[in-house]
Amino acid sequence: ILNVEQSPQSLHVQEGDSTNFTCSFPSSNFYALHWYRWETAKSPEALFVMTLNGDEKKKGRISATLNTKEGYSYLYIKGSQPEDSATYLCAFGNQGGKLIFGQGTELSVKP
Amino acid sequence: DSGVTQTPKHLITATGQRVTLRCSPRSGDLSVYWYQQSLDQGLQFLIQYYNGEERAKGNILERFSAQQFPDLHSELNLSSLELGDSALYFCASSVGGTGGSQPQHFGDGTRLSIL
Repeated sequence: ILNVEQSPQSLHVQEGDSTNFTCSFPSSNFYALHWYRWETAKSPEALFVMTLNGDEKKKGRISATLNTKEGYSYLYIKGSQPEDSATYLCAFGNQGGKLIFGQGTELSVKP
Repeated sequence: DSGVTQTPKHLITATGQRVTLRCSPRSGDLSVYWYQQSLDQGLQFLIQYYNGEERAKGNILERFSAQQFPDLHSELNLSSLELGDSALYFCASSVGGTGGSQPQHFGDGTRLSIL
């Protein structure tokens, strides 16, 4: 059974704080690692797809890194804003084509 | 707006019944994926179609079936419904057939409630 673990489950930070969370996934049969942002009452929105060991992606204040050999990815948010409040999901893609999602990290940013 | 359209938004029905959920993918996307999110569970992959053909299958129950039509819209059929089938069902789409390497674009979901 393939397991994708995210930590922490939830995080409460103040506006302006920088934060990061972790996604752990199986290091074998790796194909891609996805990050999605899921705001309440909306649908998940793709942030990044990473496929190569050592990949780093950036979108504004959000960035992600990937280590496929040890099976983890970090998502960083610099200078968190209230609008960053959401659940952040990672998903592991193997060559079979399907995505296996983690349970998510729920981020709450207080003004 | 992701460009993926799901209907209906809400569905309330009784045990034993059958329902059909519909999804229109983003323009240009050939793959459609179905996911289930139950209470306290993450997104669970059900099935993927690419250009009309089944491409990958997850833990989809035998009571559930799906298809993708020539115009690329997809339908998820759920039959002999049980209370445990109450969930949020998402459809997502992507350009190509290899779901692992391309971002997926999600619809707003259909919330199914079984009474």
